[in-house]
Amino acid sequence: QKEVEQDPGPLSVPEGAIVSLNCTYSNSAFQYFMWYRQYSRKGPELLMYTYSSGNKEDGRFTAQVDKSSKYISLFIRDSQPSDSATYLCAMSSMDTGRRALTFGSGTRLQVQP
Amino acid sequence: NAGVTQTPKFRILKIGQSMTLQCAQDMNHNYMYWYRQDPGMGLKLIYYSVGAGITDKGEVPNGYNVSRSTTEDFPLRLELAAPSQTSVYFCASSSRDRGPTDTQYFGPGTRLTVL
Repeated sequence: QKEVEQDPGPLSVPEGAIVSLNCTYSNSAFQYFMWYRQYSRKGPELLMYTYSSGNKEDGRFTAQVDKSSKYISLFIRDSQPSDSATYLCAMSSMDTGRRALTFGSGTRLQVQP
Repeated sequence: NAGVTQTPKFRILKIGQSMTLQCAQDMNHNYMYWYRQDPGMGLKLIYYSVGAGITDKGEVPNGYNVSRSTTEDFPLRLELAAPSQTSVYFCASSSRDRGPTDTQYFGPGTRLTVL
């Protein structure tokens, strides 16, 4: 079983739709949760990070963490064609020596104009 | 700042050849990482470094070597290339000042094919 599971998609939605992207994880040591966005043939870039359970909002993006269910989500409101990308969830434990991230496999999102 | 730069962008190797993937960052970051990304598999950590002269293995180090002689540079060496090393390689860096939530900044990647 992978430590982090993420539906690969592709997920195709019309412009303006609300998008929900999700990851589940099995390692209860994960404390930090991040979402990276990766455009085609580019490196990933950090979109949002959260530490505690609950919601964190940044513009059209909301990150949600439910540690009891080991489940995280990213919601995109009023989706735009420029949101078309692969979204990777990533997680980290309190191990401050390495700071390595464990990534999901990524969900490819296509927003149709 | 250029951020994290990687060279080359693309490379085709024959089985058994060797090469070095270059990575440099100009943000004075202590931490540097090498990941590989296979289709549908996410990113897997190959090696990482917490500072000049200090390196350690990640999840998938076999077939690779690294060195970190300066803060800026973190080259990845492939010896005896194999088809299983066909992948996209990303270098990343982060500062140690903010703890585990430090943003990892990624380079644009090197696409390697081993035939």
